[in-house]
Amino acid sequence: GAVVSQHPSRVICKSGTSVKIECRSLDFQATTMFWYRQFPKQSLMLMATSNEGSKATYEQGVEKDKFLINHASLTLSTLTVTSAHPEDSSFYICSARSTGSDTQYFGPGTRLTVL
Amino acid sequence: GQSLEQPSEVTAVEGAIVQINCTYQTSGFYGLSWYQQHDGGAPTFLSYNALDGLEETGRFSSFLSRSDSYGYLLLQELQMKDSASYFCAVRDRGDKIIFGKGTRLHILP
Repeated sequence: GAVVSQHPSRVICKSGTSVKIECRSLDFQATTMFWYRQFPKQSLMLMATSNEGSKATYEQGVEKDKFLINHASLTLSTLTVTSAHPEDSSFYICSARSTGSDTQYFGPGTRLTVL
Repeated sequence: GQSLEQPSEVTAVEGAIVQINCTYQTSGFYGLSWYQQHDGGAPTFLSYNALDGLEETGRFSSFLSRSDSYGYLLLQELQMKDSASYFCAVRDRGDKIIFGKGTRLHILP
């Protein structure tokens, strides 16, 4: 089956630092990857859609200069939270859609805690 | 606006059957999906309905009525491990998936 990995699974950082989260599709090529954020006991909120080789499309209210997305290859997308603050603490989940498929496969998520 | 409505919590007894309903209002519709999420974990895909009717996968079934903008997830022979949050999600235009707020399923022994 399609497997998506994320690294790191958990990160704790100081306020003001930047954190990079990687999302990889392990056994398929992902033309499109998605980044979600989920606060405790809430739903998944789409942050941005990332297409390989082009700029990401951000959802309304998501600061593109704060959440930098790079989809440099068909198997890797990265999300960098720049100058992280405590309110950025959340569960960040990526998903990937393989070429020609309607199904999105989710990564295991990255729990970010900003002190 | 775009919205998906599902109950916030449902409680059922082990071995029983439970149905989680979802109604949606979206600008586009390319299918209704269901995801399961255990505490601390990421969502896992359960089912997808693009056309009206019932799809069965083991103990889980999912139903869709596009004319009613309605679907449900049916869980049979409930097991304690089924305690989780269940999200309905609509594929909107293009690749975008919109998630409901989730239904927390509590299972009593």
